[in-house]
Amino acid sequence: NAGVTQTPKFQVLKTGQSMTLQCAQDMNHNSMYWYRQDPGMGLRLIYYSASEGTTDKGEVPNGYNVSRLNKREFSLRLESAAPSQTSVYFCASSENPSVFQEQYFGPGTRLTVT
Amino acid sequence: TQLLEQSPQFLSIQEGENLTVYCNSSSVFSSLQWYRQEPGEGPVLLVTVVTGGEVKKLKRLTFQFGDARKDSSLHITAAQPGDTGLYLCAGASDNNNDMRFGAGTRLTVKP
Repeated sequence: NAGVTQTPKFQVLKTGQSMTLQCAQDMNHNSMYWYRQDPGMGLRLIYYSASEGTTDKGEVPNGYNVSRLNKREFSLRLESAAPSQTSVYFCASSENPSVFQEQYFGPGTRLTVT
Repeated sequence: TQLLEQSPQFLSIQEGENLTVYCNSSSVFSSLQWYRQEPGEGPVLLVTVVTGGEVKKLKRLTFQFGDARKDSSLHITAAQPGDTGLYLCAGASDNNNDMRFGAGTRLTVKP
């Protein structure tokens, strides 16, 4: 099992450009999450999907959109990138129907917006 | 505002020493998790504690959840260079619709 995979690993964008971060899990987990990690801030939840077909906002959703494409895949889209969105983005998944329990993380996408 | 405060922020010790890191909050959590993250990788779950006062051991690591479910500690005995990493605590809210991470303790164990 690959676990949670994320693409791309690195990305540089200019202000105003758009892009989609891809995430897939092969553990048949119900819930999936997107976080951003900034120095001194810990991980902050952007959006989550408790189950296929549902999505909810987290702590810092502004400037992002998500799509739960199917049970395996959960994508994060930046429509108009801003320098404040420079960060490391992590996707995670969990099996337990009780959301937020025992999450498994991908390796991250390092995004720089100039 | 950080709901979960982790201390110390940085810790550098020699191999063989013992250490304790702390995770404190004014909020009550239904559960609390500890993760370790190495450079360039995602966090990896170490343990989940659910019951107030609960103690869990994972080899040389001992985790404790406070009686009031507001705080937790991680104690490492005889630290090894392989323990080096960023230790994160994360608390799930009582109604399980939110999870917050602390900023982490960055541990360096020198050989």
